[in-house]
Amino acid sequence: GDSVTQMEGPVTLSEEAFLTINCTYTATGYPSLFWYVQYPGEGLQLLLKATKADDKGSNKGFEATYRKETTSFHLEKGSVQVSDSAVYFCAPRGSSNTGKLIFGQGTTLQVKP
Amino acid sequence: NAGVTQTPKFRVLKTGQSMTLLCAQDMNHEYMYWYRQDPGMGLRLIHYSVGEGTTAKGEVPDGYNVSRLKKQNFLLGLESAAPSQTSVYFCASSGGQPRTEAFFGQGTRLTVV
Repeated sequence: GDSVTQMEGPVTLSEEAFLTINCTYTATGYPSLFWYVQYPGEGLQLLLKATKADDKGSNKGFEATYRKETTSFHLEKGSVQVSDSAVYFCAPRGSSNTGKLIFGQGTTLQVKP
Repeated sequence: NAGVTQTPKFRVLKTGQSMTLLCAQDMNHEYMYWYRQDPGMGLRLIHYSVGEGTTAKGEVPDGYNVSRLKKQNFLLGLESAAPSQTSVYFCASSGGQPRTEAFFGQGTRLTVV
């Protein structure tokens, strides 16, 4: 079945620092890959996605590249802000379409002014 | 546009009591999911459904039952609540294609005393 391993947190950075959150996955067939973000007290929302190898998903200054050869989808941002403090989840969605949708354990990011 | 709506938002139960959590989506999505979120455990899939009248077990189904009598609704039941079921519960829905993202409700905070 599908599985995902995320970098353990919490990650604490100063404002304007560079961010990387690692994610590796196993999934059936040719998966689509997603990063979701959860702000305090809210549900998850889509941050970005990529649906084929070498695609780069991007949104709000965050980027992640679909690396099929290393089964990875690492999240990066060049300069984090206090408002980026949240929990980030990586999620592969296998192409076998069983319907099952699983998430990594989440990585908590805290950005200090 | 409501998206995914969970009812109730908060609830306190006594051990042994029963309750039903309601999830409603207005996006005509085929797939619906129930997760629980606990500190340090990420999101764990309880049950899911790939269409009206269908349900399937996720990673942690014990102690829960579900029903999907209508496409737009997915109910999560606790027949005899236990303190170990104290958690934040999230419902999500998605389209049937692997490249489509999931949409989440705002969560239900359940405390069992």
